[in-house]
Amino acid sequence: QQQVKQSPQSLIVQKGGISIINCAYENTAFDYFPWYQQFPGKGPALLIAIRPDVSEKKEGRFTISFNKSAKQFSLHIMDSQPGDSATYFCAASYYNTDKLIFGTGTRLQVFP
Amino acid sequence: NAGVTQTPKFRILKIGQSMTLQCTQDMNHNYMYWYRQDPGMGLKLIYYSVGAGITDKGEVPNGYNVSRSTTEDFPLRLELAAPSQTSVYFCASSYGGAGNSPLHFGNGTRLTVT
Repeated sequence: QQQVKQSPQSLIVQKGGISIINCAYENTAFDYFPWYQQFPGKGPALLIAIRPDVSEKKEGRFTISFNKSAKQFSLHIMDSQPGDSATYFCAASYYNTDKLIFGTGTRLQVFP
Repeated sequence: NAGVTQTPKFRILKIGQSMTLQCTQDMNHNYMYWYRQDPGMGLKLIYYSVGAGITDKGEVPNGYNVSRSTTEDFPLRLELAAPSQTSVYFCASSYGGAGNSPLHFGNGTRLTVT
């Protein structure tokens, strides 16, 4: 019940295409869903986050879609660029708690 | 702004040796975390702290110890290194808990135990 399942493990997209990464959770008490981006040799950094009171959140080319009934959320990267090549982690938590549960990560490669 | 600083960047240990991974932050954050990252496994929480003098176990605490004597520092101690502890270790801090504020990560320590 504490797991967050992330897919795919790796993703190759052409420049200008749409990258889609999916996550699923089981615990309905989770109410904070962030995405972290990690470049090689660096620590992860918060990219965008959503709470379940909205179904979508957009920041620039990055969008989180949230489906509460299906217990799924996804990251969409529009007009993918080579600079987006990184590993992406979804995560989940209870509001106002101390810990995040991370997914297993997706390695995204965007080719020119 | 330094943010979260981890030292060393790389380390090779022999089985049974001990070492301390250092982590310091200059953002006056109360919350600090230690994660390990293994290929295909994501980030697993080892220990965390909600303030100076307070620490608690995460998902994978066995083989590790921590202390938090100051707000700034949160060292991670490996007492008897084992090959299973070969990993990349990340320290992170946040203003509030990880459930409602961003985690700020250091750049990691790559540890190999042989």
